[in-house]
Amino acid sequence: ILNVEQSPQSLHVQEGDSTNFTCSFPSSNFYALHWYRWETAKSPEALFVMTLNGDEKKKGRISATLNTKEGYSYLYIKGSQPEDSATYLCHSYNQGGKLIFGQGTELSVKP
Amino acid sequence: NAGVTQTPKFQVLKTGQSMTLQCAQDMNHNSMYWYRQDPGMGLRLIYYSASEGTTDKGEVPNGYNVSRLNKREFSLRLESAAPSQTSVYFCASRVSGMGEQYFGPGTRLTVT
Repeated sequence: ILNVEQSPQSLHVQEGDSTNFTCSFPSSNFYALHWYRWETAKSPEALFVMTLNGDEKKKGRISATLNTKEGYSYLYIKGSQPEDSATYLCHSYNQGGKLIFGQGTELSVKP
Repeated sequence: NAGVTQTPKFQVLKTGQSMTLQCAQDMNHNSMYWYRQDPGMGLRLIYYSASEGTTDKGEVPNGYNVSRLNKREFSLRLESAAPSQTSVYFCASRVSGMGEQYFGPGTRLTVT
């Protein structure tokens, strides 16, 4: 992985479903991995900063894990609610050390 | 605390015109950033300033210049606007290189 990539690009789930999505990043010279939540017509807001391999962080129904050796992080949402609908962004650093955001995963939760 | 503020909120330019986007933060943060957001592209870093007095190129710096005027303010200048620079521009700041970023409300720029 040379850059930061997120999958899937979009996700449509029903209220109450649990869901997860992935952020892949260069594993060499890892520095930090950040997750942000971005609601339409607003600015991105920080969810988690993750730095250590095996890190697991939780905020309410949202949690994230980090694997720096293989270069991925998962974001989990348990029991999705319509207010969870947003684009979820991650950022890390490419092999040149430049800060790179992934393209985001757009989550839509239907009542 | 106002957090991160950006001016203007909206701007329409003609090709070749110049303008400066202003950003200010009142959180005493060391690092400041300029991003552009285009459909399907996420956020792309244009320039950043790790600390007062320093600036560095990000992923997409061509066609832009920046000035870190003081610790609070970081401006982005388009010397000769092009339609490809139509985008939403976000400024962000953080305490240091590892912390979470705080984003401004964005400037929607259209170049015709």
